[in-house]
Amino acid sequence: SYVLTQPPSVSVAPGKTARITCGGNNIGSKSVHWYQQKPGQAPVLVIYYDSDRPSGIPERFSGSNSGNTATLTISRVEAGDEADYYCQVWDSSSETRVFGGGTKLTVL
Amino acid sequence: EVQLVESGGGLVQPGGSLRLSCAASGFTFSSYEMNWVRQAPGKGLEWVSYISSSGSTIYYADSVKGRFTISRDNAKNSLYLQMNSLRAEDTAVYYCARAPVDTAYPGAGAFDIWGQGTMVTVSS
Repeated sequence: SYVLTQPPSVSVAPGKTARITCGGNNIGSKSVHWYQQKPGQAPVLVIYYDSDRPSGIPERFSGSNSGNTATLTISRVEAGDEADYYCQVWDSSSETRVFGGGTKLTVL
Repeated sequence: EVQLVESGGGLVQPGGSLRLSCAASGFTFSSYEMNWVRQAPGKGLEWVSYISSSGSTIYYADSVKGRFTISRDNAKNSLYLQMNSLRAEDTAVYYCARAPVDTAYPGAGAFDIWGQGTMVTVSS
């Protein structure tokens, strides 16, 4: 089955840029979605189809996808961005939806 | 307001059964694909099952195949998950999640709306 690999944790100072990666075999050929989950809350979609942003999501959130790595970039990080972030794809070969293991973003 | 509300969670013994429900409101339920996603305590997200907008296409994660059954009633704006032969490792918060239909790649849509989740605990 298809595997997505995320770093367990990323730390960044307020106002700086955070980059969260999602690795997978030829992930650039798939559409990647990203979710933010704060403690005790349901996940929220922040990026879909690699780089599109749902309404209400700040422009500080952006995404890219190429080769074997997709990246969620959060610019001018704020304390309120501290959360777990998950990437997700649809694996057409197995008709399954796959999540990465999640990355805990810590704002220093 | 677009909303998904899960119900039916609780404590069940190993080997037991439980039926989860997800009530949808604020949108045309029959036009969207639906999924169940779970999260074990302190763990990441795990996709469980998918059902197409008409209910004609269904997929399961290997971990629940043969034990869980997803279904929907578009007339009642409701999604269901029948869980049988429950195991301790099925203990998790279960979320229902909506996905817009991707006409080019059915099933590839993002989960754009999530419910608040319902807790299922499998323990003796």
